[in-house]
Amino acid sequence: ETGVTQSPTHLIKTRGQQVTLRCSSQSGHNTVSWYQQALGQGPQFIFQYYREEENGRGNFPPRFSGLQFPNYSSELNVNALELDDSALYLCASSRSGRAAYNEQFFGPGTRLTVL
Amino acid sequence: DAKTTQPPSMDCAEGRAANLPCNHSTISGNEYVYWYRQIHSQGPQYIIHGLKNNETNEMASLIITEDRKSSTLILPHATLRDTAVYYCIVRVLGEYGNKLVFGAGTILRVKS
Repeated sequence: ETGVTQSPTHLIKTRGQQVTLRCSSQSGHNTVSWYQQALGQGPQFIFQYYREEENGRGNFPPRFSGLQFPNYSSELNVNALELDDSALYLCASSRSGRAAYNEQFFGPGTRLTVL
Repeated sequence: DAKTTQPPSMDCAEGRAANLPCNHSTISGNEYVYWYRQIHSQGPQYIIHGLKNNETNEMASLIITEDRKSSTLILPHATLRDTAVYYCIVRVLGEYGNKLVFGAGTILRVKS
């Protein structure tokens, strides 16, 4: 295990609803990244947070938003859910900086189903 | 980020070495090669990374060609638990961590 935890494990929502997913980073890590993984595909980068600010964003609409808290935990919020938002949502934490050892450690993910 | 190309699937006999190739012909001088794997429905697991020298850790070895346009991940003695999707990723280290750009990966099936 990596020490990165996510909640909830599974979630079922209907179209148009809003959802909040949570992530606790590994001890000593101050950077959190979120990824979306549709069935049968590799994870796609959503955004990254460092010191409570967004620090890079992938090709996702503004209805995908996030927060990072002083303890470096993070939330992913998705508004106006669409059927295509059904996916495994992965959180990864890492150290910041230019050191070579800032690999990202992933949590187990949250499986979101939109009906 | 440089694009990577991997075979969609590979089979390997249990106990034998698994050699997973990756092409990254457009890699830049400051881009690292990272390997992750993902066992069904779990989060990706970091395996190894390197810049230009070959690397080895307790999980695997990474062989990078001299021109850095391709690499091979070697699992020396594959077990059934190594069955997973293996992702080869090329990324640039930045100031505040980095995004990983995943491709489709290689499905490795280890068979008894």
